[in-house]
Amino acid sequence: KQEVTQIPAALSVPEGENLVLNCSFTDSAIYNLQWFRQDPGKGLTSLLLIQSSQREQTSGRLNASLDKSSGRSTLYIAASQPGDSATYLCAVRWIYNQGGKLIFGQGTELSVKP
Amino acid sequence: TAGITQAPTSQILAAGRSMTLRCTQDMRHNAMYWYRQDLGLGLRLIHYSNTAGTTGKGEVPDGYSVSRANTDDFPLTLASAVPSQTSVYFCASSEGLNTEAFFGQGTRLTVV
Repeated sequence: KQEVTQIPAALSVPEGENLVLNCSFTDSAIYNLQWFRQDPGKGLTSLLLIQSSQREQTSGRLNASLDKSSGRSTLYIAASQPGDSATYLCAVRWIYNQGGKLIFGQGTELSVKP
Repeated sequence: TAGITQAPTSQILAAGRSMTLRCTQDMRHNAMYWYRQDLGLGLRLIHYSNTAGTTGKGEVPDGYSVSRANTDDFPLTLASAVPSQTSVYFCASSEGLNTEAFFGQGTRLTVV
């Protein structure tokens, strides 16, 4: 069964800390993995997309890595800020899924305290 | 750039009534999706469309129908709403089956 797991479910850190969010997935036959951010009551904002052939992607203070063979991805946030507080979702596209659907983890709710 | 526009933003609907949630994208993306998001269950795919004129069923299609008459629009219809369809509905699109997906701001639907 295709599953995406995100641990921890919630994380609270003081401002300025570097932090890592984890995502694991069953089966390495993926097209890609995408990280999203969701603010309360809002839609999903795409942060980073990593294709199956890539090891990492960077955007500003964010760095996402992918280890397909072990079924893991991490989202590293450098020098966290209160504005980073949100729920972070990881989603996987498997190759043999019809329609290219994304399967989501349950998310990690991040709180950055000033 | 507008991206994906969903309407309405929120709606309260009486059980048994029908409703169409609208989704329009201006990126000329081929693939479009409807997800619902529920506390504790996360995001689940309802229906999808790879190109105009084609649609497919996702994980939770029962009680919903879609159409894809053109590239830009992908409406989701509830023929006879039930309280279990109370949820936040998100429309998404991507250029292809393995490219970046973008989401709309969602429609919060309450069926009473």
